[in-house]
Amino acid sequence: GIQVEQSPPDLILQEGANSTLRCNFSDSVNNLQWFHQNPWGQLINLFYIPSGTKQNGRLSATTVATERYSLLYISSSQTTDSGVYFCAVFFYAGGTSYGKLTFGQGTILTVHP
Amino acid sequence: GAGVSQSPSNKVTEKGKDVELRCDPISGHTALYWYRQSLGQGLEFLIYFQGNSAPDKSGLPSDRFSAERTGGSVSTLTIQRTQQEDSAVYLCASSLVRVYQPQHFGDGTRLSIL
Repeated sequence: GIQVEQSPPDLILQEGANSTLRCNFSDSVNNLQWFHQNPWGQLINLFYIPSGTKQNGRLSATTVATERYSLLYISSSQTTDSGVYFCAVFFYAGGTSYGKLTFGQGTILTVHP
Repeated sequence: GAGVSQSPSNKVTEKGKDVELRCDPISGHTALYWYRQSLGQGLEFLIYFQGNSAPDKSGLPSDRFSAERTGGSVSTLTIQRTQQEDSAVYLCASSLVRVYQPQHFGDGTRLSIL
């Protein structure tokens, strides 16, 4: 199956700093999502980005499908950005199986005031 | 609009008991997924329902786990004869039927087996 690796595993920032999180995947994918899991355990959709670049406020993401990686950029970080960031991918094998997401192990982000 | 709803939010039970976890997907979403998040295993797929098709059960860890989806909407995940290693957060997600649609997750059920 598809392997998903995220880096770095841990990241500590001062409020206001910028950061880049990376997601590498081992095969072609049809779907890639970035999630933020907050300290209460809620898994929040950030981006659905199988290719290209998207921006939402201070966050943006880029997926280069041909090179099998995606990047999540966080600018002017805030304490509320703390939590775990997951990348998840899906490969469509055909037929009616729309399939499962395969998750990376996550990046634990801590933003200090 | 309403998101994916899961209940209970927390469940504590004794080893050997059966538990039922419920998921109510987003209205109009015909695809429904169960995942499990546990320490050391990360987030792992359990089972997937798509309309009236046979479910994809490839992620269920043992025959103590089963799930059903009634009327194409609400789903119940049942764990029989619970073991301590079943302790985890069980997450449900739903999506539109078309390929390449993002999955939207509920807040999960935190299951603790004593």
